[in-house]
Order: sequence, then C-alpha cells, then structure tokens
Amino acid sequence: DTGVSQNPRHKITKRGQNVTFRCDPISEHNRLYWYRQTLGQGPEFLTYFQNEAQLEKSRLLSDRFSAERPKGSFSTLEIQRTEQGDSAMYLCASRLGDTELGYTFGSGTRLTVV
Amino acid sequence: GEDVEQSLFLSVREGDSSVINCTYTDSSSTYLYWYKQEPGAGLQLLTYIFSNMDMKQDQRLTVLLNKKDKHLSLRIADTQTGDSAIYFCAESLRGSTLGRLYFGRGTQLTVWP
Repeated sequence: DTGVSQNPRHKITKRGQNVTFRCDPISEHNRLYWYRQTLGQGPEFLTYFQNEAQLEKSRLLSDRFSAERPKGSFSTLEIQRTEQGDSAMYLCASRLGDTELGYTFGSGTRLTVV
Repeated sequence: GEDVEQSLFLSVREGDSSVINCTYTDSSSTYLYWYKQEPGAGLQLLTYIFSNMDMKQDQRLTVLLNKKDKHLSLRIADTQTGDSAIYFCAESLRGSTLGRLYFGRGTQLTVWP
C-alpha cells in the first residue's frame, strides 16, 4: 500500500487544450474525492464517488469538467477547453467506509494553463 | 460550512510554542481537523477533535475547541524548523456529503532557527 497516487505530478498545457488526470486510491478505499486548490487558498471540494457512483458534484465543477471512476478503483478528472483560471493543484483523497479518520490525500497534480 | 477563517502568517523562533487559530461559522460541525501541507506535497492529517470535546493532546500538539465562540486552535510545543509548513483548519458537517471537508485558507508557519 503506497498511499494515494496521482499522475502526472505537473502538467503544463496551452489554453483550449484538454487534459486528464488520474488518481489511484488506496486499494480497499471505496470513497474517493477530488478537490481543487488555487494559490493562497485552501482546498475546495469538486466531486465525490462511492465505489463507481458519482454521488455529488460541486457547483465549481462546470460542464467542461468530467470525472469518472469506471470500476470503483482509479478515477480520472478531465478538463476540456482549459482556461487560465483552471490553473490549480488538483488533489485526490480516498477513505474507507464511514470513518472520519481514514482520509488520505495524494500529492496532487499541479496544472498550469498558459 | 463555507466560512472557515484563519490568520495567514505566523513566525516563531525554534523552541517556542506556536498557536494557530481558526474560526468557523457552522454549528453543525461534527469533526474539526488540522492538516499540514509542505511545499509541493499533499495534505497530511495532523490531528482532529470531535465537536463534543473541548481539548485533545497528542504529543507536541494540543487542540482546543471553544464551541460557544466557534474557535479552534492548534498549539505546537517546542516548535522545530521541520514544522515550517502551511496549516489548514477543516471541518466536516452533519448532513453534508459524507466525508466532504471545508477548509480555511491556511496559515503559513515559519520557524526561525
């Protein structure tokens, strides 16, 4: 068990391009969360999966954003037609069941849109 | 649950105690957390407190919760240079998405040798 893994660590893209990030949670964790952290701010909730079902999406998640967790294991977050305002750190976290304490974050993917 | 406030900066000398403060507005908090973030890294859970507790101590860390004033603090005893990082206060809410956390903006702690 190597914790929550996110790839890539860094991504630089031109405005208008599509990008996709991957998160591999801890293997037995059924709950997975995506957060976005902009410079000087705390993380903000984007979306939540329980197994393969996407149960909640924040209003921050515009229609250019889509997230999937096809088999209840890894998850992807895709941003279409990127804008400079999408530049941020995208954090993934996972946890097992209802425990409040088993919340593990990955190291994040830093996106820079130029 | 969307108004978690923290002071942005704190500087202390190595060996002194650090106190990082946080205020929140939602009285339906269930747990309150302190996370640490080092440069380029994800978030590391330092400690947490259940909303019906007043205090929790864990080695060098002491968490105090004043529910009346909706004020949370983290005291780090004998602060070391390795404690330099950003510290986030966060809360989870009764009735909210299970496990969703609401974070403050973070307090940058700088420890001088």
